[in-house]
Amino acid sequence: EPEVTQTPSHQVTQMGQEVILRCVPISNHLYFYWYRQILGQKVEFLVSFYNNEISEKSEIFDDQFSVERPDGSNFTLKIRSTKLEDSAMYFCASESLENYGYTFGSGTRLTVV
Amino acid sequence: GQQLNQSPQSMFIQEGEDVSMNCTSSSIFNTWLWYKQDPGEGPVLLIALYKAGELTSNGRLTAQFGITRKDSFLNISASIPSDVGIYFCAGQKGAQKLVFGQGTRLTINP
Repeated sequence: EPEVTQTPSHQVTQMGQEVILRCVPISNHLYFYWYRQILGQKVEFLVSFYNNEISEKSEIFDDQFSVERPDGSNFTLKIRSTKLEDSAMYFCASESLENYGYTFGSGTRLTVV
Repeated sequence: GQQLNQSPQSMFIQEGEDVSMNCTSSSIFNTWLWYKQDPGEGPVLLIALYKAGELTSNGRLTAQFGITRKDSFLNISASIPSDVGIYFCAGQKGAQKLVFGQGTRLTINP
């Protein structure tokens, strides 16, 4: 079964530092997403990416956030200057045109101290 | 903004019992999805519903997409210990973002 792979599984960073979360979506998928989940809360949409550009972003996705698809396989989320409230699980997901219903990765737990 | 109201927030049941949870929305969605999340893992898709009124089963799981496209329920029959986890409903309009419910935490007493 194809998987969405995320690395690292856990990252601890100091407030103000930059972090890059990495994802390898399923190879024939065309839509890519980042979501986050603060501990004990629901999953929240951050950004969607299609055809090498952002197609939609939420209010959470401010100027501190950026996404990139640097090559044909990786999809990254960068947080420029982390804040304590950025601590959460970050999930990458990808979707094909044929079947709606994403495949999520296992997530990266980001802890900002 | 769009919001899904999921209930109940938590359930405590005995092994073997049936479970029912539901989601309602003020918005119409084209697709309703039910996910299960285990601790430290990402959501895993259980059932996807594409047509209003559709009733779909996946093993012991049954879900229905409401006629108005604004609600859905998920039933689990004869619960087993591995059913423990958090269940999320999610609505989608086309190939766009998912809007998630708040989740139902299921606990099963053996």
